[in-house]
Amino acid sequence: DAGITQSPRHKVTETGTPVTLRCHQTENHRYMYWYRQDPGHGLRLIHYSYGVKDTDKGEVSDGYSVSRSKTEDFLLTLESATSSQTSVYFCAISEIVNEQFFGPGTRLTVL
Amino acid sequence: EDKVVQSPLSLVVHEGDTVTLNCSYEVTNFRSLLWYKQEKKAPTFLFMLTSSGIEKKSGRLSSILDKKELFSILNITATQTGDSAIYLCAVLMNRDDKIIFGKGTRLHILP
Repeated sequence: DAGITQSPRHKVTETGTPVTLRCHQTENHRYMYWYRQDPGHGLRLIHYSYGVKDTDKGEVSDGYSVSRSKTEDFLLTLESATSSQTSVYFCAISEIVNEQFFGPGTRLTVL
Repeated sequence: EDKVVQSPLSLVVHEGDTVTLNCSYEVTNFRSLLWYKQEKKAPTFLFMLTSSGIEKKSGRLSSILDKKELFSILNITATQTGDSAIYLCAVLMNRDDKIIFGKGTRLHILP
């Protein structure tokens, strides 16, 4: 399996609090992605990165920001969490874009 | 609007049956189509298809792409209970290296 870890794996937080999810890779892959997965919606791209300090928005980026200061780490931040952001968050990495490897996921509950 | 549509959304068959999962797409800058299998955790990569008419095979699974009719199928022969999973189709676009996922097909194999 590709070396991808996500932390935390589970988090329960309250509405209005800031939350940061971390994705860490040991593969030195260029591309990193954050997705959320919800019933009835499948996987939706939040933000992605194509290099250090190079990021771009996906289809559901509102309410989220990202940062990539090192190749191995891609952080997803919810500045002020809302209940609609309760979801399972997956990080993915790829070198050639066409083939992504996914992390184990983070289950976030916003009360 | 770019979209990926999978059908059926769910399917229940008996062990030993053959199943065909469908994925159609409408995107502006198609690069390739990818299939993933998702069991309890993160999706795992199955196939990448870029050219029409070339079948990709891996054991009992096979897939083919039709770029004229804008669809792909994933076939599973002699199904086993271990094939029970959500199968995700995704399209990678040339523009911005973005990827769009379908909602998935939930396949359940009865013993």
